[in-house]
Amino acid sequence: GENVEQHPSTLSVQEGDSAVIKCTYSDSASNYFPWYKQELGKRPQLIIDIRSNVGEKKDQRIAVTLNKTAKHFSLHITETQPEDSAVYFCAAKRGSTLGRLYFGRGTQLTVWP
Amino acid sequence: DVKVTQSSRYLVKRTGEKVFLECVQDMDHENMFWYRQDPGLGLRLIYFSYDVKMKEKGDIPEGYSVSREKKERFSLILESASTNQTSMYLCASSSATRGNLDGYTFGSGTRLTVV
Repeated sequence: GENVEQHPSTLSVQEGDSAVIKCTYSDSASNYFPWYKQELGKRPQLIIDIRSNVGEKKDQRIAVTLNKTAKHFSLHITETQPEDSAVYFCAAKRGSTLGRLYFGRGTQLTVWP
Repeated sequence: DVKVTQSSRYLVKRTGEKVFLECVQDMDHENMFWYRQDPGLGLRLIYFSYDVKMKEKGDIPEGYSVSREKKERFSLILESASTNQTSMYLCASSSATRGNLDGYTFGSGTRLTVV
């Protein structure tokens, strides 16, 4: 099956700085890559996703890039704020399989004021 | 606006008890999933279902079973609870339309403690 590796496991940045979280995947047939944010005590929520026919997608301060050749994708958060502090999970899947996502182990992002 | 509902937020059970965790979604999703979340281990898939009465083993199915009698409801069963099943359990659902290229909607989770 698919194997998704996520780095780093913890990340601390100063408010206003940028944060980057990287993931690699093993299955070249994967074509959907979502990112989830989980605040303390809350459910994971989808914040952005990318499909394999695009290389980059932006939504305000967050962006995701995808390199299918190298089989890696990244989450970029600019102008970080304390409310960005959370655990972030990357995931990957094939569209043809029955909806199952393969998750990375998560990155604890802490933004210091 | 809650779309995936887990019946209990916190649960304390004794070793050896049979435990039922319930999950209901109101989005008419075909796919439903049960994960457990443990510090440092991320989200691990226990079981999933892509249709009524259908089930598939995930990565850690041992000690668990599931039931999906209706499209909107997916139950996780711990046949004989053990202390190593103390964890946060998350239910999720997703649509099978658009070639299955959609993310999950998660429930709020059930924090299970087995004593």
